[in-house]
Amino acid sequence: NAGVTQTPKFQVLKTGQSMTLQCAQDMNHNSMYWYRQDPGMGLRLIYYSASEGTTDKGEVPNGYNVSRLNKREFSLRLESAAPSQTSVYFCASTPRLDSNQPQHFGDGTRLSIL
Amino acid sequence: KQEVTQIPAALSVPEGENLVLNCSFTDSAIYNLQWFRQDPGKGLTSLLLIQSSQREQTSGRLNASLDKSSGRSTLYIAASQPGDSATYLCAVRRSNDYKLSFGAGTTVTVRA
Repeated sequence: NAGVTQTPKFQVLKTGQSMTLQCAQDMNHNSMYWYRQDPGMGLRLIYYSASEGTTDKGEVPNGYNVSRLNKREFSLRLESAAPSQTSVYFCASTPRLDSNQPQHFGDGTRLSIL
Repeated sequence: KQEVTQIPAALSVPEGENLVLNCSFTDSAIYNLQWFRQDPGKGLTSLLLIQSSQREQTSGRLNASLDKSSGRSTLYIAASQPGDSATYLCAVRRSNDYKLSFGAGTTVTVRA
């Protein structure tokens, strides 16, 4: 009963390096989301995917790309990491974009960029 | 843009006391409001979801109310326990929008 699984849990990068954060859900959900959480701020939406094959920008998409590989997996890529991208990244999913169901979250990836 | 505010940022109470957590939002045209719990180093766990047509939701010792006209929601936790120590986040989804706007959270410590 895994729910939403994120890998890795921790990562340290140097400025300019690239990295892909992985997310997979086993609940047969159509919609998936990537957020970042910074101290003293609420979670902010980076990108989301309404269904397999579609992706859309959220509130803070600059510096990120995403891939909805299949229904289960939604990855987030940092092409050239910057210190401002140091954050905790969360992946979430819901049955559908318009469902009145709560989002299910993974445990997060803690990313530090030096 | 929907702004969501949670005050206070931190709260410490003795065990057994009732907890009252506040959430305010600026745009009353909402689709739903959700309360989440976050433990240190963990993701968010959904506690309660209140649809825009509802005034409150209850689950065990938890009760959440919603007043759209005043832009407020309150989460009540009865007879608090040390295990209730966590950060509680409020998130609002506007009508005709798929995005959640989150508050920064209230960190609760229940002292034994």
